[in-house]
This record gives sequence, structure tokens and C-alpha cells, in this order.
Amino acid sequence: DTAVSQTPKYLVTQMGNDKSIKCEQNLGHDTMYWYKQDSKKFLKIMFSYNNKELIINETVPNRFSPKSPDKAHLNLHINSLELGDSAVYFCASSQVAGGLADTQYFGPGTRLTVL
Amino acid sequence: SQQGEEDPQALSIQEGENATMNCSYKTSINNLQWYRQNSGRGLVHLILIRSNEREKHSGRLRVTLDTSKKSSSLLITASRAADTASYFCATDAPYNNNDMRFGAGTRLTVKP
Repeated sequence: DTAVSQTPKYLVTQMGNDKSIKCEQNLGHDTMYWYKQDSKKFLKIMFSYNNKELIINETVPNRFSPKSPDKAHLNLHINSLELGDSAVYFCASSQVAGGLADTQYFGPGTRLTVL
Repeated sequence: SQQGEEDPQALSIQEGENATMNCSYKTSINNLQWYRQNSGRGLVHLILIRSNEREKHSGRLRVTLDTSKKSSSLLITASRAADTASYFCATDAPYNNNDMRFGAGTRLTVKP
């Protein structure tokens, strides 16, 4: 069974479109995250979500918004896509809230290409 | 700027050799983790080392932490071709544990 799953795996879209990436974890974890990995392989935290508390990296544009329908899901909505949004987006989860005090389990990633 | 910076950026060795990767960081940390990423896949957790620990082992992996030098190293002994991957260190800050930072990784190639 996949612990953290993301859909779609690949997403190709035009500039200006609105898109969503879904993430589900079946580990019973309380905290979920979204990361962006750019072309130079740097991984940057975008959001941390724990039991209705959303921690936002202040550098993330407000075109990005996480939505959590329940504890097992944290979807990422992106409005008005821009070329610079092209990257691989990873969802992750952990039992302990925030930080690296606990193992984070990563999804397989979604490669977003904006044309 | 990125908190963790891995060194070297790329490393190529023969199967059976040991591989050492280093990670340096700039500010105080609470925890440091090493992750592995196979091409086109998500990250897989390897080892967590806390700021009050100096060394941890897991199978063929050994991680050291020197907080005075703000550095950590990951040693993979008796490497295998299947160890070929990118290895990342990640740190979080004691004043804000949501401030998690990853380096750009070391690309390890183990030749059979």
C-alpha cells in the first residue's frame, strides 16, 4: 500500500490556467506538507498543515493555496499558473507536528510543466 | 539562501568502496535528517540525528554531527550499485521548527 500518494504524476498546462494536485496519506499522520523542488534540486517547504493550523512559507505566492478536506488529504490549488511554477511538487506527512523531529514520508511527486 | 549545503555535488565510486557526503549549515539546528532520492521519485528518510547527538548508525549508514562546525557527514560503507541516488540533508531551526531547509543534494553514482 502506498503511504503517501499524489495525483497526477505529470501535469502539463498553459500559463494562466488554474490547476490542483491531490495528496492522500494513509498513515494516520496529523501533519502534512507541500514542498517544491526546482530545477536545481533545491527542496523548499511551501506549507505545513496540522489539525487545522496552516503554516505558510511567506515566500509562497498567494496563488498557491492548500485545501484539506480531512486529516488524510491536503490538496494544492494553484491559480493563474506562471512559467516559474514549473517544478516537481512533493507532498509529505509526519506524525509529529512541524519540524524534523520526526520522519517525513514523501509522495512520489508531481511534475508540473507550465507552457 | 539554503540552510544545508551538501558537498560534493557529485560523487562517483566503485561498488564496494565507501562514500562520504558532507552537509554544512549556517545557523543553529534542532534536528538534522538525511534523505535519499532516486531519480524521478520522492525522498526516503534515512537517519534523524538530534542536535545533542554526535553519531548514529543504521545498517551500512553512519551519520555524524558536529554542531561546533555546523556540519554533518553521511558515510555509506561497502557501497552497492543500488545506492546510486541523490542524498539530501535537511535541518530545522530551534526557534521555528517549521523552518525546514534542504540542500541541493549530492548525486552519488556507484559503478558495478
